[in-house]
Amino acid sequence: NAGVTQTPKFRILKIGQSMTLQCTQDMNHNYMYWYRQDPGMGLKLIYYSVGAGITDKGEVPNGYNVSRSTTEDFPLRLELAAPSQTSVYFCASSTGLNTGELFFGEGSRLTVL
Amino acid sequence: KQEVTQIPAALSVPEGENLVLNCSFTDSAIYNLQWFRQDPGKGLTSLLLIQSSQREQTSGRLNASLDKSSGRSTLYIAASQPGDSATYLCAVTPSGSARQLTFGSGTQLTVLP
Repeated sequence: NAGVTQTPKFRILKIGQSMTLQCTQDMNHNYMYWYRQDPGMGLKLIYYSVGAGITDKGEVPNGYNVSRSTTEDFPLRLELAAPSQTSVYFCASSTGLNTGELFFGEGSRLTVL
Repeated sequence: KQEVTQIPAALSVPEGENLVLNCSFTDSAIYNLQWFRQDPGKGLTSLLLIQSSQREQTSGRLNASLDKSSGRSTLYIAASQPGDSATYLCAVTPSGSARQLTFGSGTQLTVLP
């Protein structure tokens, strides 16, 4: 049982480049989330989704986009990467909207130079 | 706006000690509170989930308590082991429809053999 899988684990981008962080879960969870974690800080919510075709902004959505075409996949796109987007990104899923246990992927470490 | 604070930021104890990690939050209108463990370079693993109507939850050597009126939760770890070394984060889910978790910045625990 893979749970939540994120790719890539590491990536270096140049300023202005774009990329997509992939997230897949095999638990048939309706709710999925993208967080970022900066050093010594808690996690901040970027975007979340309550089901296929439905997404909504979290606390820090600027500079990011998401889509949810299937229950399993929730990719996060960075457009015009900036140094401020250097962070560790975590994808998570749950059975309810923050009402139950959250399952996290192992993270994607992104550096923008 | 909900704020979650975890003090201390780092804690070092000898193996076998019982210890308490603290989490405080500013808004007592919460739906639930979760404790997570994060190992270096890894995602978060949910340890305990306490609903707002509960006072405590136990899992093995871990016991989490919740006092909504004072805005506090504690995570008690009995007979600590080197394998307990990790960062422990708490997160609260607010009441109401938004239900976006607010995370603390974590306590980095080191258990010395």
